[in-house]
Amino acid sequence: AQTVTQSQPEMSVQEAETVTLSCTYDTSENNYYLFWYKQPPSRQMILVIRQEAYKQQNATENRFSVNFQKAAKSFSLKISDSQLGDTAMYFCAFMKRDSGGSNYKLTFGKGTLLTVNP
Amino acid sequence: DTGVSQNPRHKITKRGQNVTFRCDPISEHNRLYWYRQTLGQGPEFLTYFQNEAQLEKSRLLSDRFSAERPKGSFSTLEIQRTEQGDSAMYLCASSPGLAGLGTQETQYFGPGTRLLVL
Repeated sequence: AQTVTQSQPEMSVQEAETVTLSCTYDTSENNYYLFWYKQPPSRQMILVIRQEAYKQQNATENRFSVNFQKAAKSFSLKISDSQLGDTAMYFCAFMKRDSGGSNYKLTFGKGTLLTVNP
Repeated sequence: DTGVSQNPRHKITKRGQNVTFRCDPISEHNRLYWYRQTLGQGPEFLTYFQNEAQLEKSRLLSDRFSAERPKGSFSTLEIQRTEQGDSAMYLCASSPGLAGLGTQETQYFGPGTRLLVL
């Protein structure tokens, strides 16, 4: 079974600064996907960024980037130029890619509550 | 594309009553997932459908829970004889699946149904 650990229950950052959220996972699988989801106070879960384990290049999406260390089973999220709208709960999630290449369930960490202060 | 919708958004019921939630996925998405999220935790997988077929059920899904997706479009999640421990946010997500558009592996979430059992 896979497990996802987010060791920072809460973090805060000043507007316009950079913050890094940590995530580690445990799996015996070799093919999988990793995701960061954002859940603002309105509670709708929104995809932030995704990473395929077979890709060495770290994924980036505008101000969001990841540091994927497969050997260390680490998948951190860096948010640059933080904005007030980034205030949310952030979840790291793991998805196994089965041999058929089809979708599978997400395993989530407990989340990190990020507060961006003005 | 109207996104994943869920109804009702909130439900208060008395212990022992039955409740039913509905999820309408993004059109053309073949896969539909149900998750449960309790306060301070990440979502936990309950079950998923490929079209109308229910392919996996978590052991979290007791005999009191049943899910259907009769025509491969919307899905319902029913909880019979509700207990206070069933109080949670129930999230629905959909993904394109094998024959869909966009990125197969990404799950798009609805706003959730918050259940409170008194």
